Amino acid sequence: DTAVSQTPKYLVTQMGNDKSIKCEQNLGHDTMYWYKQDSKKFLKIMFSYNNKELIINETVPNRFSPKSPDKAHLNLHINSLELGDSAVYFCASSLREAHEQYFGPGTRLTVT
Amino acid sequence: AQSVTQLDSQVPVFEEAPVELRCNYSSSVSVYLFWYVQYPNQGLQLLLKYLSGSTLVESINGFEAEFNKSQTSFHLRKPSVHISDTAEYFCAVSRTGFQKLVFGTGTRLLVSP
Repeated sequence: DTAVSQTPKYLVTQMGNDKSIKCEQNLGHDTMYWYKQDSKKFLKIMFSYNNKELIINETVPNRFSPKSPDKAHLNLHINSLELGDSAVYFCASSLREAHEQYFGPGTRLTVT
Repeated sequence: AQSVTQLDSQVPVFEEAPVELRCNYSSSVSVYLFWYVQYPNQGLQLLLKYLSGSTLVESINGFEAEFNKSQTSFHLRKPSVHISDTAEYFCAVSRTGFQKLVFGTGTRLLVSP
């Protein structure tokens, strides 16, 4: 009965590699998000998609590319990983008119 | 632009004591306010929200928060905490009509016996 799921839960990789994180929600929501939580636990929005359309794109390096194949999925691809990309990445979803967002369990990315 | 300030990075309390976690926001427009809780190594769970109506909102596990527009605050309170309340608590704000959540830096609640 997982509402918002992410894979993988942990990801350890080397600098310069390319990696993807996947997110799926079964709540019937039409809006999905990616947030980054840094080592000091500060959370900041990266992207938001509504009905597969990008609606929020914060100042994120273009090495980060979100992709939404359908309303229930939002993936995050990261090229040329850097040490500073190490963080926990959270996916979230909501109904556009409902405001409260539901978060996935997070993906802890460690770049060595 | 909206911003959220959680002045206390850590709040230690004894079990069964009352607690208040402070949250102040800054915004020139109407906002929605939220408290999320993050247990160790887990995602964020919505604890409670203020969208409109009564300024006092309650959660199912005994927490409450009061929206105070004049003080631009949304403090979280619980009259008697349990060990299991130990977690990180995040206050967040979103502008009405927009979906972007802006988070505070979090307050770690440490409940000891």
